This record gives sequence, structure tokens and C-alpha cells, in this order.
Amino acid sequence: DAMVIQNPRYQVTQFGKPVTLSCSQTLNHNVMYWYQQKSSQAPKLLFHYYDKDFNNEADTPDNFQSRRPNTSFCFLDIRSPGLGDAAMYLCATSRGSRVDEQYFGPGTRLTVT
Amino acid sequence: GDSVTQMEGPVTLSEEACLTINCTYTATGYPSLFWYVQYPGEGLQLLLKATKADDKGSNKGFEATYRKETTSFHLEKGSVQVSDSAVYFCALSLSYAGGTSYGKLTFGQGTILTVHP
Repeated sequence: DAMVIQNPRYQVTQFGKPVTLSCSQTLNHNVMYWYQQKSSQAPKLLFHYYDKDFNNEADTPDNFQSRRPNTSFCFLDIRSPGLGDAAMYLCATSRGSRVDEQYFGPGTRLTVT
Repeated sequence: GDSVTQMEGPVTLSEEACLTINCTYTATGYPSLFWYVQYPGEGLQLLLKATKADDKGSNKGFEATYRKETTSFHLEKGSVQVSDSAVYFCALSLSYAGGTSYGKLTFGQGTILTVHP
């Protein structure tokens, strides 16, 4: 029944140790998004894919990378996590038009020690 | 640039009270408007949406009307419940000249709602 799945739900990593978060969808949507959200602030868009077309936000640090090997899966790689990268990471999908809502996963809570 | 402004929070109400959360927007073009809700420790869920002027979105007793003349999309509920306690986000989505918007959202800052028994 789940439509956007994120694994793991909780991730603990060490300062500077690379970490990968995963997202999968059963909706067959064209667009997948990654957001960073800190303590009840609005989600901040990091990047999105339209099919295999990657779109980076101008202020997304180089430390954040993404891969989308197929329609269903998308990965967020943090190459060298800092303490400031501790946050909730949300994945979302959409058909990609102005009138279409985004479907969010439950999020991965990242802790950096 | 495009932006969404929500009323300052947090909002604390007693059960069965009336709720209004104000949302105004600035946009070039004709946005779609959304309200998303986020329960503690979870992702965002669509609460309601409106895609053109004068449309009314409604769901679970919540309503919001797309007012182009006042550039507003205020969220209302006549009688809140404890289970409505959550963070509420107003958002807009636009098409851009020359291509699709890819459904990108511009969010307001969020309003924390707490409902006491």
C-alpha cells in the first residue's frame, strides 16, 4: 500500500563518513525530489529528477549528490556529513505539472555524531 | 520572486474551536495552491488543493478558497480536534515559460497547531 518508501527511517553516521539514503516509489511518477528539513521548518529542496534529467538547486552544497538508476529508485549521497547536515531528509514524487501534488515519503532522520 | 507567507505561529486552541490559518502568496503567472500537513515524525501529506481562481479545496473538514483578488488561500476548519495537532504548510506551484515547472513547490514557513482537550 505504501507509495513512497524511504530507508532507513533513522540513520546515524559519523562526522565525515559517507552515507546514502534511499527512496523508492510505486506510483511510476516522472519526478522525484529530495528535501532537507530541520526542526519544523519548511522543507528545503535540494534537487529533483525529471526522468533521468537531474536538476540541482543553486544553493545545494556540493557535498550532496544524487542518483536515479531507474524510475522507481532514487538515492541521496552525502559525501562528508557535517554536524550541520543532521536533519530529516524527505523524498517526494509527482507527475510533474503545475496542478499535480507531491507525494512524500515518511522521511529519514539523519544524526551525525 | 515567488513566495508564500503564512501567519505567525504557533497556534493553540481548545477542542471544538474554530481555526483559521492565513496564507498569502506572491507569484508571476497562475499558480496552483496547496495545503500540506505534517504530523510529528512523519512526511508531509496533501490536505487540499486548488488549481484556479475561486476553486475551493476541502478535506477532513478543512477548507480553503483560492482568492486571486487578495492573493490568499486561508485554511479554515469549524471545529478542531486534538488529532488535528500538526504543522501546516501552505505552498504554491507554477509553470514557467518555456517548459514545465516539474511540480516544484514554494512553501510558506509552516504553522504549528496544538489543540488541547
